[in-house]
Amino acid sequence: KAGVTQTPRYLIKTRGQQVTLSCSPISGHRSVSWYQQTPGQGLQFLFEYFSETQRNKGNFPGRFSGRQFSNSRSEMNVSTLELGDSALYLCASSRGIRSYNEQFFGPGTRLTVL
Amino acid sequence: QQQVKQSPQSLIVQKGGIPIINCAYENTAFDYFPWYQQFPGKGPALLIAIRPDVSEKKEGRFTISFNKSAKQFSLHIMDSQPGDSATYFCAAETSGSRLTFGEGTQLTVNP
Repeated sequence: KAGVTQTPRYLIKTRGQQVTLSCSPISGHRSVSWYQQTPGQGLQFLFEYFSETQRNKGNFPGRFSGRQFSNSRSEMNVSTLELGDSALYLCASSRGIRSYNEQFFGPGTRLTVL
Repeated sequence: QQQVKQSPQSLIVQKGGIPIINCAYENTAFDYFPWYQQFPGKGPALLIAIRPDVSEKKEGRFTISFNKSAKQFSLHIMDSQPGDSATYFCAAETSGSRLTFGEGTQLTVNP
């Protein structure tokens, strides 16, 4: 079974631009979560989607948004990029939304904002 | 109250040693405590997880010890190997919510 895939793997943007990252979950998984990983802040939760609905949202500004499609694939968008948005963005999928559902992480998208 | 505190930040042991990583939490609603292992260039991978109704869980060389009254849990790696060198994250979750991660511990196992 294929794992979680994220595209692109690397991205370089400049301040003020916007970016869209994509995540394809494991087949049969309906929940997708996004995390931002930085050396200073560690792993921070962005949002979670289940059946095309956002169920949880972390403490990030409105510039960060996401969506989920009917095939469970998910995208996240960051508008008006800032230098501090440079990070590894991780997507994780799981079967459902209940506790104890193992989350499987993708390799991440490394975003660099210049 | 949603924080999970993890220590140490980094840890160096010799092959065969038993590194111990500790985590503490405040939110008593947390009911699932997984540990993740992350290698450079990879996403975190679930290593082992525990629920608060048990005090210890072993899977291979990895053991979680859980102290509900102290709101602490720890990861022990028995007979550590150089291949165990990675970053380890503890995490906590309440049912239906998202994972709250600790700050991470960079483990180095020297040959």
